[in-house]
Amino acid sequence: AQSVTQLGSHVSVSEGALVLLRCNYSSSVPPYLFWYVQYPNQGLQLLLKYTSAATLVKGINGFEAEFKKSETSFHLTKPSAHMSDAAEYFCAVSSANQAGTALIFGKGTTLSVSS
Amino acid sequence: NAGVTQTPKFRVLKTGQSMTLLCAQDMNHEYMYWYRQDPGMGLRLIHYSVGEGTTAKGEVPDGYNVSRLKKQNFLLGLESAAPSQTSVYFCASSTTVSVSSGYTFGSGTRLTVV
Repeated sequence: AQSVTQLGSHVSVSEGALVLLRCNYSSSVPPYLFWYVQYPNQGLQLLLKYTSAATLVKGINGFEAEFKKSETSFHLTKPSAHMSDAAEYFCAVSSANQAGTALIFGKGTTLSVSS
Repeated sequence: NAGVTQTPKFRVLKTGQSMTLLCAQDMNHEYMYWYRQDPGMGLRLIHYSVGEGTTAKGEVPDGYNVSRLKKQNFLLGLESAAPSQTSVYFCASSTTVSVSSGYTFGSGTRLTVV
């Protein structure tokens, strides 16, 4: 069985500060890992994904994440937060070996950015 | 614009009423999914479909039924709505070979059961 744990349901940073959102996964098979962002009253938008190529993955809006197998982690970072980054972020995992396997989502982390 | 369309966007039901949520995608995706989103719970999978005419249960299927009669449509039914089904429902679709491309999500249906 696969699972995702997002550490911290709420993260607050100042504008210009480093953003770090933590995600640890559990999977008995090689995983695909994803980060999605949800702005208020909207659907989910794909930020970036890891699919067994480069372990450092760059996404949209300046975000990136690093896959660390030894730590079973896929933390999301951004060097400098913008006010527009305030949203809810979801980490998700699926199996790389099973077509059609549904994504399993973490409970989400709400990012607040203050000026 | 191509994508996933959910109807309706908002609905208020009385306990015991029934309704159907419609999800339509125009990307020729094989796989479709229904999730519910509740505060502090993330997204939980209700049912999914790997192709026309096939459906499968997810993590929280009780109280819901689904049908995939056409490849582009995935219907979620509530036969007898309960207050516990108050939630935001998201439909998503993905391509065949694997889910490495990620999902395309609809904009959601906000359902309140009173």
